[in-house]
Amino acid sequence: AQTVTQSQPEMSVQEAETVTLSCTYDTSESDYYLFWYKQPPSRQMILVIRQEAYKQQNATENRFSVNFQKAAKSFSLKISDSQLGDAAMYFCAYGTSYNYGQNFVFGPGTRLSVLP
Amino acid sequence: DTGVSQDPRHKITKRGQNVTFRCDPISEHNRLYWYRQTLGQGPEFLTYFQNEAQLEKSRLLSDRFSAERPKGSFSTLEIQRTEQGDSAMYLCASSLGQKGVISTEAFFGQGTRLTVV
Repeated sequence: AQTVTQSQPEMSVQEAETVTLSCTYDTSESDYYLFWYKQPPSRQMILVIRQEAYKQQNATENRFSVNFQKAAKSFSLKISDSQLGDAAMYFCAYGTSYNYGQNFVFGPGTRLSVLP
Repeated sequence: DTGVSQDPRHKITKRGQNVTFRCDPISEHNRLYWYRQTLGQGPEFLTYFQNEAQLEKSRLLSDRFSAERPKGSFSTLEIQRTEQGDSAMYLCASSLGQKGVISTEAFFGQGTRLTVV
C-alpha cells in the first residue's frame, strides 16, 4: 500500500522569506502523480502544485516549486516570498490509477504559520 | 457555483442516531471520493465511485457506513447508529478520468463537520 509521510507537523516562516516543506512517500508503482494541497482554516482544500512521476523537471507555479527526487521518493515544496495568505495546512498527496479506478493518498499535513 | 458542494456543512447528532450527508460533484466528473478528516490530520480515504459503481472501500468503512451514487451524479454517505468516534469532517472530492488514466486533480468540497454527542 502506498504511504505518504510528512515529518514536520508545524513550520513557521517570516513574511517574504522562503520555506520548504518535506514529504516522502512509498510506492512500488512507476506511474503516479504527486500533489501538494493547501487547506486554509475552515476552507476547502485546493491544489497548489502537481508533479508527474515520469517528468524529471521539477514543477513550478509562480512562488511555489517542488524538488522531486524519484529515487529517494522525496517530494518537497518550496514557497518563496511567503505571504500571510500562505498560512494553512499543507498536505502532500500521492495519486495513482488502477484497472478499476484511482486513489489519492494524503500525508498527515504540515501546519504553516506566516509571521508578519 | 460549479464546484463540489456538500450538504449539510455542520451536523450535530446524538449517539445512536443515523445521519446522511450529500455530495454534488462537478457535473462532468465521473470519479467521486469520500474522505474522513479528524482535527489536525490528513484526509483518510473511505470510498470511491467510478460513475455509479462503488469500486473501492476502505477498511475504515465499517458496516455502519454506506455510500451510494445513483445514476452517477450526486452521492450520499450514511452513518447508522453513530458513535462519538465518528465525529470528524467528511470530505467529498471529484475528478475526471478515463479507465486506467490518473486524474490530474481532485476537487474538494468544503466538507460536512459531524459532531456526535
